[in-house]
Amino acid sequence: NAGVMQNPRHLVRRRGQEARLRCSPMKGHSHVYWYRQLPEEGLKFMVYLQKENIIDESGMPKERFSAEFPKEGPSILRIQQVVRGDSAAYFCASSGQVSGANVLTFGAGSRLTVL
Amino acid sequence: AQSVSQHNHHVILSEAASLELGCNYSYGGTVNLFWYVQYPGQHLQLLLKYFSGDPLVKGIKGFEAEFIKSKFSFNLRKPSVQWSDTAEYFCGGSSNTGKLIFGQGTTLQVKP
Repeated sequence: NAGVMQNPRHLVRRRGQEARLRCSPMKGHSHVYWYRQLPEEGLKFMVYLQKENIIDESGMPKERFSAEFPKEGPSILRIQQVVRGDSAAYFCASSGQVSGANVLTFGAGSRLTVL
Repeated sequence: AQSVSQHNHHVILSEAASLELGCNYSYGGTVNLFWYVQYPGQHLQLLLKYFSGDPLVKGIKGFEAEFIKSKFSFNLRKPSVQWSDTAEYFCGGSSNTGKLIFGQGTTLQVKP
């Protein structure tokens, strides 16, 4: 079982460019979560998706950020027109259950650096 | 609003010292509680979880946590820490919606 796979592990972008982060959930998992980790701020929930549906996006910034989890392929977190403040580690997690009594399995994270 | 908070942001201990990391939650209704650990350069791993039943839960690597409903707390404990326990520890909570939110994290540094 390959676990949750995230790529790229490291991404460098200049201000104004786009960043795309990909997440393949564990085999059999149909729920994906994205978190952002900033220094001294812990892990902040961004968005929770099911296949082709956004369940909860209450943690997503209103502009420039979007997420999708298509029927086929990985979940993608997209950041348009990146700014220095977007530099962070972005973690994806997956689970296989709908209820709250589920355990999230995390990927290794993608570290975005904006120059 | 649902929230999880961790009191200690940075803890430094010597090997063999006892550890207790605080975690408080604010949830209406059913709550599921978790502790995750992130070793340097690695991804988050589940240490232990509480869904229901015995409020004292045991996890991996000698860790345990106690759910005290009256205090809205779920503190993490270990009787004797090792240098290899140096890591960042996250307390998390979820309700039946499935969304897991975390506290701010506690960085534990164990000196050999």
